[in-house]
Amino acid sequence: DIVMTQSPDSLAVSLGERATINCKSSQSLFYSANNKNYLAWYQQKPGQPPKLLIYWASTRESGVPDRFSGSGSGTDFTLTISSLQAEDVAVYYCQEYYSTPALTFGGGTKVEIK
Amino acid sequence: QVHLVESGGGVVQPGGSLRLSCAASGFTFADYGLHWVRQAPGKGLEWVAFVRHDGSDNYYVGAVKGRFTISRDNSKNTLFLQMNSLRPEDSAIYYCAKDADYKGAGSWLASWGQGTLVTVSS
Repeated sequence: DIVMTQSPDSLAVSLGERATINCKSSQSLFYSANNKNYLAWYQQKPGQPPKLLIYWASTRESGVPDRFSGSGSGTDFTLTISSLQAEDVAVYYCQEYYSTPALTFGGGTKVEIK
Repeated sequence: QVHLVESGGGVVQPGGSLRLSCAASGFTFADYGLHWVRQAPGKGLEWVAFVRHDGSDNYYVGAVKGRFTISRDNSKNTLFLQMNSLRPEDSAIYYCAKDADYKGAGSWLASWGQGTLVTVSS
């Protein structure tokens, strides 16, 4: 089974500053046949269901602000919020879909305002 | 606009059963696989089960295999999760989620319901 490890567990960032969340998988999520990484990112605000932000490791979902970006390949991935806004306070999860239909989520990273 | 509405949650004693439903609208239901994902209070997300678009196959996380059954009724645009032999560790919010892949075998989760709370306690 693929294990997804996120770091840090939580971080506090000043408004307007950059927030960086890391996600590491226990095996490569890169499929050479289509040159894609099978990784998604979600945002979950308190009392709400998760919301899809990014898929294929770096493709932003429609309507997601461009301050959110995803990068990485193979086993190491990053979600970056370029300029943190108050509405970005949430828990962020990575999720692999390389081993579909079984899916595995990372443990989550809580983002707060410093 | 995709709309998913879960129902059927509640309080049940250990060893008991519950049947969750998820009513869907806003997309061609029979064209997409569907998942159940749960979240224990204050914890992270855990994938539970997946059913293919036509109901031809289903998959489960090991912790629920043999106890939970995922199914769907494409004539009624409804997803189900039959949960038997419930344990306290099954207590969680259960979300249904639409797979993004057209008639595929599972990918990212494009849309989520608001969830229904299941509490297993004596």
